[in-house]
Order: sequence, then structure tokens, then C-alpha cells
Amino acid sequence: AQRVTQPEKLLSVFKGAPVELKCNYSYSGSPELFWYVQYSRQRLQLLLRHISRESIKGFTADLNKGETSFHLKKPFAQEEDSAMYYCALGSGGYQKVTFGTGTKLQVIP
Amino acid sequence: GAGVSQSPRYKVAKRGQDVALRCDPISGHVSLFWYQQALGQGPEFLTYFQNEAQLDKSGLPSDRFFAERPEGSVSTLKIQRTQQEDSAVYLCASSLALTGGGRSPLHFGNGTRLTVT
Repeated sequence: AQRVTQPEKLLSVFKGAPVELKCNYSYSGSPELFWYVQYSRQRLQLLLRHISRESIKGFTADLNKGETSFHLKKPFAQEEDSAMYYCALGSGGYQKVTFGTGTKLQVIP
Repeated sequence: GAGVSQSPRYKVAKRGQDVALRCDPISGHVSLFWYQQALGQGPEFLTYFQNEAQLDKSGLPSDRFFAERPEGSVSTLKIQRTQQEDSAVYLCASSLALTGGGRSPLHFGNGTRLTVT
């Protein structure tokens, strides 16, 4: 069965400090990984996905199949990055997506 | 255009009552998902539709939960004889069909917050 683990419920960093939100997954097939974000009073939305290999709002994430990880990183945190971040795993023949429990990122001014 | 719309935004039900939650997906989106999000948890998969066909209902927690999408557009999640443990935010998401470039992203609604008293 597929599983996504986000070990930190809350991560507090100062503005300008580097950020790393951890995500590990468990899946026997070929995974597709995503990061979704939910800003205050907004709906859950896609931030980035590993197949796109893109940087969104300064965030990047690299899929490491050896360590089964997909950590989200940003070199310099901004106050507007404060939000809930969910790592998600796409699996199966269609589009079932399994979410982690989320990490709340708090950027301290 | 409009995003995924869910109604009602909030629903309070007495234990034992039946409730119906509605989801209007983005026009043209083939896939529709329902998720349940308990307080402090991530969204948990409930069920998936491709057009009007319910292809996966493995996440529905009991036979009190029923979902339908009769015309391949609007979907309704019905919960019969609600229990306190059903209290959660129910999220609906839609997406385009699976493409050669990988899965299309999920577009979420604002959710319906169900409180069972």
C-alpha cells in the first residue's frame, strides 16, 4: 500500500533562512510526487510536481528514489510562504493521490 | 473560469441525520475525487469518478457513505445516519484525464465542513 510521511507537524524559520520540508513515501511501483499548499483561507492547490522539474515561488523538490524522499526546499524563506504544505503520491492506473498529514510552515519576520 | 464549487460550506447535523454534499467540478474535467480531512490530518481518499463511472470507492469508510455522479458532471456525496466520527471537512477535487505527460493536477474546492452533534 502507498503511504506518505511528513515527520514535522510544524516548522518555524526566520525570514531569509533556508527551508526544508521533509517528505518520505512508500510505494512499490513507479511514483509520481507532488507538493500541494494551502494558504490561510484559501483552497488546497498544486505547488509543484516532480515530473515538471520546475521551481515555483523559489521552491524546488527532487525525487530521490534511493531514499524514497521528495523534500521541498527553498533557500530564503519569505513571510508569504507561511502555509500548510502537503506532500502527495500519485499511484495506480488512474490518478489516485495519497496525501501526507501536512507540515505547517511558519516564517517569522 | 470558475473553479470547483462545493455546497454547503458548512453543515451541522444531528447524529442520525442524513446529509448530502454537492460538488460542481470545473467544466470539462473528466476525473472527480472526494476526500475526507479530519482536524489536523491530511486529506484521505474516499472515492473516484471518471465521467459518470465510479471506478474506485475503496476509501469510503462504511456503507453509510454513498457517492454518485449520474451525468458525469455534478457529484453528490451522501452520508446516512451520521455519526460524530463523520465530522470533518469533505473536499472535492477535479482534474483533466490522465495524459501522456503524467497526472493532471487536482483542482480542489473549498470543502464542506460537516459537524455532527
